[in-house]
Amino acid sequence: QSVLTQPPSASGTPGQRVTLSCSGSSSNIGSNTVNWYQQLPGTAPKLLIYYNHQRPSGVPDRFSGSKSGTSASLAISGLQSEDEADYYCATWDDSLNGRVFGGGTKLTVL
Amino acid sequence: EVQLLESGGGLVQPGGSLRLSCTASGFTFSDYAMTWVRQSPGKGLEWVASVSGSASNTYYADSVKGRFTISRDNSKNTLSLQMNSLRAEDTARYYCAKDVVQIVTSCAFDIWGQGTVVTVSS
Repeated sequence: QSVLTQPPSASGTPGQRVTLSCSGSSSNIGSNTVNWYQQLPGTAPKLLIYYNHQRPSGVPDRFSGSKSGTSASLAISGLQSEDEADYYCATWDDSLNGRVFGGGTKLTVL
Repeated sequence: EVQLLESGGGLVQPGGSLRLSCTASGFTFSDYAMTWVRQSPGKGLEWVASVSGSASNTYYADSVKGRFTISRDNSKNTLSLQMNSLRAEDTARYYCAKDVVQIVTSCAFDIWGQGTVVTVSS
């Protein structure tokens, strides 16, 4: 059971905007930056968003991140079939003195 | 090209030991913290351990503390994970990942290897 809570599944249709959530507490999201990863089937994770809202070079601006209090969100606009993947949030936890991942959200493009 | 290549995985009996290695290329290895992340079959990502760029600071998940040791050799661009007292629940693909900064902070890894599989079974 992760200290970061993500809904296990989400879905959307091509072209739609979807938002994935990540809920934590004051010891993790509330006091540290949040990062998001995309994992396509059978591949290693890929950094999508770091430090709440920064995009690594090469990541389309369809992906955006935000944080408010003890929750964070990843928004995907103009949903495409290739966005079908597992998405994980991650941050540092001051109480655990270590890093934590959310349980992940499986995004299905209908 | 920036690259991470893991090795050392395999089948080991419960209670046994295994040493994983990760060879880095294409960047100044000592400038970045490094991390091991694992993923059990069909499950999510789990942070295992991290080491700062200078190797002066190490951090472990509670699930592996006292059994696993992370280390690095900056002269050889190599990251290692010594795994002792292995349990069935340690069965997973182990990924080596590069942090975006030298110190261990947040949880941002911009480069990942393809992983090496560890199976703990009798």
